[in-house]
Amino acid sequence: NAGVTQTPKFQVLKTGQSMTLQCAQDMNHEYMSWYRQDPGMGLRLIHYSVGAGITDQGEVPNGYNVSRSTTEDFPLRLLSAAPSQTSVYFCASSRRQAGAITDTQYFGPGTRLTVL
Amino acid sequence: AQSVTQPDIHITVSEGASLELRCNYSYGATPYLFWYVQSPGQGLQLLLKYFSGDTLVQGIKGFEAEFKRSQSSFNLRKPSVHWSDAAEYFCAVGSDYKLSFGAGTTVTVRA
Repeated sequence: NAGVTQTPKFQVLKTGQSMTLQCAQDMNHEYMSWYRQDPGMGLRLIHYSVGAGITDQGEVPNGYNVSRSTTEDFPLRLLSAAPSQTSVYFCASSRRQAGAITDTQYFGPGTRLTVL
Repeated sequence: AQSVTQPDIHITVSEGASLELRCNYSYGATPYLFWYVQSPGQGLQLLLKYFSGDTLVQGIKGFEAEFKRSQSSFNLRKPSVHWSDAAEYFCAVGSDYKLSFGAGTTVTVRA
């Protein structure tokens, strides 16, 4: 049981480049989410999904795109990278509770992204 | 909109001393409250959570937290700190399918 895995661990991009951060979980969790962590700001929700084919925006969705074609995978796409997207990105998953985020979130180890 | 405030950015505590981390939340209905811990270079791990019932919640690693509705607070405590407790601690409030985190409190443990 690997839990939540993220690839790559580190990435350097140039402004304007696109890339996809990968996230996978093997716990059959319906709920998955992406956060970015910046110094002094805690974690901020980018996008989330309550099941395959269902996604929604979080607090800071601009510049990011997601899709959920399977229960296991929830990739995050940066469409045109900007220096403001330099951050550490965390993926998380949990069981889905009806109408509320009541269950424990399991976090991946993170991806450290630098945009030059 | 929900929000979380952690007033202390950094706390230094001696090993064996008690620790209290403050958390204040803003949310209109009954909140779902969480404390997570992040060790350097790691992801987040759940320490404890409150949904309803007993306002004193026990968690892992000897931590506990008390929910006080009148003060909109959910403070985290540990009676005796170990060097391995040095980490960053995040309070969070959940509603619908969204989790909002505070900015975090970094705990340093001195020998």
